[in-house]
Amino acid sequence: GAVVSQHPSWVICKSGTSVKIECRSLDFQATTMFWYRQFPKQSLMLMATSNEGSKATYEQGVEKDKFLINHASLTLSTLTVTSAHPEDSSFYICSARDAGAGYDQETQYFGPGTRLLVL
Amino acid sequence: AQKVTQAQTEISVVEKEDVTLDCVYETRDTTYYLFWYKQPPSGELVFLIRRNSFDEQNEISGRYSWNFQKSTSSFNFTITASQVVDSAVYFCALNDLGGATNKLIFGTGTLLAVQP
Repeated sequence: GAVVSQHPSWVICKSGTSVKIECRSLDFQATTMFWYRQFPKQSLMLMATSNEGSKATYEQGVEKDKFLINHASLTLSTLTVTSAHPEDSSFYICSARDAGAGYDQETQYFGPGTRLLVL
Repeated sequence: AQKVTQAQTEISVVEKEDVTLDCVYETRDTTYYLFWYKQPPSGELVFLIRRNSFDEQNEISGRYSWNFQKSTSSFNFTITASQVVDSAVYFCALNDLGGATNKLIFGTGTLLAVQP
């Protein structure tokens, strides 16, 4: 149980284009999902908290118009990198909490990540 | 402020050796959760364990064991008889339930290399 998928796993795009990344909880409902960014050999940096049915909460320094987050259902959150530039190249990881897990609802389960390369 | 410190940046051991990964945390609250995650070269973070602040019992799961010491604010992770497949980056994390945002605070990670 507690499986989170991400799609795509790899994406290469040209500068100026927009890229959408999907995060799905496959076997549980997730009222809260999180989006992280990770640079090589560094820790995870939380970008935003995505709540189903409401606006995402962005961390300080993260441009909300640049990184659009939509949490349309209890199993799907999307991150859209708009007008991508080479500096947006990174590893993006999502996570989800199981709303119905009772004692375990504080555990975040992570997706496999998406590697974005902007040329 | 909440903080997680993993002082060991990289550890290299030979297969079958035991290895302990250190984690020290800071929080002002009495209610919190601690976690360990494994990140193999593929990139996915694999959940290993969750421990709440009220439960100081140590835990063993196969070759893995965890030592939670509130007195020293530490939550160390030991791998017994390490194997090459244990090679990964290991992250310790804190979820401060009393905080306004209820989010994970990650340490900087420890890269474990197990040599055959």
